[in-house]
Amino acid sequence: AQKVTQAQTEISVVEKEDVTLDCVYETRDTTYYLFWYKQPPSGELVFLIRRNSFDEQNEISGRYSWNFQKSTSSFNFTITASQVVDSAVYFCALSEAGSGYSTLTFGKGTMLLVSP
Amino acid sequence: DADVTQTPRNRITKTGKRIMLECSQTKGHDRMYWYRQDPGLGLQLIYYSFDVKDINKGEISDGYSVSRQAQAKFSLSLESAIPNQTALYFCATSPGGTSTDTQYFGPGTRLTVL
Repeated sequence: AQKVTQAQTEISVVEKEDVTLDCVYETRDTTYYLFWYKQPPSGELVFLIRRNSFDEQNEISGRYSWNFQKSTSSFNFTITASQVVDSAVYFCALSEAGSGYSTLTFGKGTMLLVSP
Repeated sequence: DADVTQTPRNRITKTGKRIMLECSQTKGHDRMYWYRQDPGLGLQLIYYSFDVKDINKGEISDGYSVSRQAQAKFSLSLESAIPNQTALYFCATSPGGTSTDTQYFGPGTRLTVL
């Protein structure tokens, strides 16, 4: 069973629009970590955020914000006032206590295209 | 200088050839990982190592082998490359410890098997 689902394969927006990338996860562990990574067209993977299962506070970093809701098993990522440089593939990932936090399970990614 | 480096960055090889991808890190991390990325499939774990004497298979280890030569070096080998191993390969490192364990990725190696 897929543990991390990113249902949006591709999203296209115009610059300055707000956009939310969805991530739904599945785990039996009560302790786990959730991550977001960005993969720009150049191909590297850039770490964005790490959130543990006991911290449901929303996180804001500049134009980026993350909404973690255990009740719906979701960890959504919002970009406010999107810019062309935000164009990338974004991956959500899960690390579980049951695996000793040894591995990351990735979603299939959401490609975000921001046009001028 | 990059903390996690991968060599080569691009490689084209033929079916049946042996190939090695190398990863080096200067982050001082104990844990190292190899992933492959196929279009539309996200990243899949091939092998991981928590220290020089610890090697573990990931979800797609068949057809691959690894060697942890030192804390800073982790190599991935394809003993007899086949076309469906054409993919983007990433090395990653992490420090370990539940409160700090975030994986940081190298720039990737694009491998094409003809």
